Parts: sequence; C-alpha cells; structure tokens
Amino acid sequence: GAVVSQHPSWVICKSGTSVKIECRSLDFQATTMFWYRQFPKQSLMLMATSNEGSKATYEQGVEKDKFLINHASLTLSTLTVTSAHPEDSSFYICSASWGGGEGPNQPQHFGDGTRLSIL
Amino acid sequence: AQSVAQPEDQVNVAEGNPLTVKCTYSVSGNPYLFWYVQYPNRGLQFLLKYITGDNLVKGSYGFEAEFNKSQTSFHLKKPSALVSDSALYFCAVRDTGRRALTFGSGTRLQVQP
Repeated sequence: GAVVSQHPSWVICKSGTSVKIECRSLDFQATTMFWYRQFPKQSLMLMATSNEGSKATYEQGVEKDKFLINHASLTLSTLTVTSAHPEDSSFYICSASWGGGEGPNQPQHFGDGTRLSIL
Repeated sequence: AQSVAQPEDQVNVAEGNPLTVKCTYSVSGNPYLFWYVQYPNRGLQFLLKYITGDNLVKGSYGFEAEFNKSQTSFHLKKPSALVSDSALYFCAVRDTGRRALTFGSGTRLQVQP
C-alpha cells in the first residue's frame, strides 16, 4: 500500500532556531500534500495544502512566513518552522494524495507525525 | 463551511461487547465521510469511507459505519471490541471540491479486558 514517511519523528531544539520536517511518498507520486497540526488531546487542524510545483495554500490564521512549505517534487514536501518558539511546540502531521481532479475517492495517506518541542 | 462533531470525548466498553463511536456532520454539498484511527505518537490510519452507495460501509479491522442522511450521522461500529482497539478515533468529512479533510475533535476508545 501507499506509504508516507515523515522525518524526523521527534525533534527538540532551542528557541529561535529553524526546524525542517520532511514528508515523502515512498511508492507513489503525491500531487498534493497536506500539513496538519495537532495539539495535545485535540483534533488535527489543517495548516496548508501543498501542490507540486506551485505555492502552498495556507489556511486562515497560519503565518506563511513562519511555516514555509516547499513541494519541489512529486515525492517530497517540506515544512520549515522558522525562528521557532515554545508556542510552536506541537505534533505536525503530513498527508499525501495522488491523481488529478477533485474526485472524492482520492485517498489520503498519513505520515507518522513529528513531535516538535521548542525549549 | 463544513464541520464534524464527535460528541463523546471518551467511550468505554468491555472486551467482547459491541462498540459505537458517534459522529455527525454538516456540509453544503454531498458528504464524503471518513473514519481514521490514531495510536499514540503516530499518524492516522484509514479505517473506512463513505462516498456513495450502501449506507452500511465495511472497513478495516472489523469496523463498519452507518451513514444516515436524515440524521446527518456516520457512526462507527464494531460488533465485538478488542483491547487492541483502544485508540483515538477521528471522523472526517471532505466537501465537494475540497481535497483537505475537516476532522472532528476525536473520541478516545478504551476497551477494558
């Protein structure tokens, strides 16, 4: 089946540093990738939709300059949290789908998430 | 705007008993409904989906869900719960023309031996 690999799974860093999270589709070409954020005991909140070769579409309230998304190839999307601060600590999850159009049958496959802790 | 409601934060059930995890939705067009399961510090695993057709949808690990248009519900069910079913369950909806999913708040299922 379709596998999405997310790396790293856990990162701890100092306030002010930038952190890059990778999301890879291992056995399929992902035309669209989604980035979600999950707070403890809460649901997933969509941050942005990333389409290969074009700019990401950010949800309202998500800072584009803070959360940089790059989808340079059909198998890789990256999320960079710039100048991270403790309030950015969270669980970040990516998902990927393939195919064109807006068909509802496009499956989404999720990575295992990245737990980001900013000290 | 589309939304999903999971009214129960937690559901407790004894092993071997049937389980139900509730979900109601609100969309402007045709609803495309999904159930996912999440284990600690992991991403989401797909269980089942309703796109069209039969109201009773069968999915992975013995789970099934019943789509009820008049009640705008999509409850997750399993005839006999296992301890290993203990996890966090999310209901999600995808509205027509939008690829991203809107998730409910999640329901923690605890199956006691």
